[in-house]
Amino acid sequence: EIVLTQSPGTLSLSPGERATLSCRASQSVSSSYLAWYQQKRGQAPRLLIYGASSRATGIPDRFRGSGSGTDFTLTISRLEPEDFAVYYCQQYGSSPTFGGGTKVEIK
Amino acid sequence: QVQLVQSGAEVKKPGSSVRVSCKASGGTFSSYVISWVRQAPGQGLEWMGRIIPILGISNYAQKFQGRLTITADKSTSSAYMELSSLRSEDTAVYYCARELLAAAASVTTFFDYWGQGTLVTVSS
Repeated sequence: EIVLTQSPGTLSLSPGERATLSCRASQSVSSSYLAWYQQKRGQAPRLLIYGASSRATGIPDRFRGSGSGTDFTLTISRLEPEDFAVYYCQQYGSSPTFGGGTKVEIK
Repeated sequence: QVQLVQSGAEVKKPGSSVRVSCKASGGTFSSYVISWVRQAPGQGLEWMGRIIPILGISNYAQKFQGRLTITADKSTSSAYMELSSLRSEDTAVYYCARELLAAAASVTTFFDYWGQGTLVTVSS
């Protein structure tokens, strides 16, 4: 099983600032089968990024995914008020696993 | 637009079973894979298993082998998750989620649509 470790656990930032979230895999993620989700309190997760860097339908271009192999990054260029949430990375291809999440909170 | 609508909240006794349904609309059910993901209170996401309705094939995470059964009814575009021998640690919100079917059925993909979630509480 591929273990995903997300860091930091919590990111305290102000609206307009840049957020950089990390996801590290215990072994190489084949074909960049890595996705990112946003989850707000009381809601289901929402797909943001798949294939490590492709934005899902309707996702604003301030969200950018990058990386390959074992190291992946989600960057939010300028935080909007609605971006404060928990973010999860997920690997797929084989048995899917999720990272533990990064909470982006208002400073 | 794909929509997944799940059944309502459940309260169960330890040792019993729970069955949660997930009805799909929009798109073509035969091109879907339906996975089940759960989230314990204040915790992260955990994949449980999946079903490919057009093939009738289910796969389960090792942790749930023997206790989890995922089925589908193509005639109603519905999937079902049944978890048995419930214990307090199974208290969680259970989500169904759609994957597109890859060229190789054993290859899992990302989850692009999610149900609203069903809270299952296990308590004596």
